[in-house]
Amino acid sequence: AQSVTQPDIHITVSEGASLELRCNYSYGATPYLFWYVQSPGQGLQLLLKYFSGDTLVQGIKGFEAEFKRSQSSFNLRKPSVHWSDAAEYFCAVGTYNTDKLIFGTGTRLQVFP
Amino acid sequence: NAGVTQTPKFQVLKTGQSMTLQCAQDMNHEYMSWYRQDPGMGLRLIHYSVGAGITDQGEVPNGYNVSRSTTEDFPLRLLSAAPSQTSVYFCASRTGGIGKLFFGSGTQLSVL
Repeated sequence: AQSVTQPDIHITVSEGASLELRCNYSYGATPYLFWYVQSPGQGLQLLLKYFSGDTLVQGIKGFEAEFKRSQSSFNLRKPSVHWSDAAEYFCAVGTYNTDKLIFGTGTRLQVFP
Repeated sequence: NAGVTQTPKFQVLKTGQSMTLQCAQDMNHEYMSWYRQDPGMGLRLIHYSVGAGITDQGEVPNGYNVSRSTTEDFPLRLLSAAPSQTSVYFCASRTGGIGKLFFGSGTQLSVL
C-alpha cells in the first residue's frame, strides 16, 4: 500500500539558517509528489509538485525539492529561512490514475529570530 | 474569487446529533474531496467526488455521508456524531487529473 513518511515531527531553526524537511514514500507506480504548507488556522497551500522530468523542482516562497528515486525521497529545502516560514509542512503522493492523494503526518517548523 | 468556502468555521455537537458541513467552490472544478486532520495523523481522505452525481470512499469513510448534486457543492453529513469525529475538516477541489488541490479554511468540529 502506498504511504508517506515524514520522520521529523518538529524542527526548530534560526532565521537565516538553511532548512531540509524529509519525506519518504512507498509507492508501486511512478509517483506524483507534492509539498503543501499550512499556516496556523488556515487551509493547505501548494508549495511545489513533481510529476516527471527534472528531479529538482522549484516552488513558491524560495522552496525547492529534489526527487531521488533510488532513495524513495522527496526532501524539501530552503537555503535561508524567514520567520514567516514557521508553519506545518506536509508531503503528499499520488498517481495520475488515482483520485486519492495520500498525505504524510506533517512536520512543524519553528523559526527563532 | 472566493475559491473554496467552508461553513461553519466552528461547531460543537453532542453525541448522537446530526449535522452537515458545507463546502462550495466557484472554480468549476470537477474534483472535490473531504479530509479530516488529527494531531499526529496528518490529513486523511474521507470521501471524494470526480463530478456531479459521482462519489467514492476514501481512507476513513465510516460515519460520514456525501452527495454531489451540483458541480459547486459537496456537503459532508454526520448522521450520528461521535466523539471520535472531533477533528478539523477540510474541503478541497481541483480540476480533472492529478494536480494542485485548493483547500478551504477548515471547520473545527467538537463532539461532546
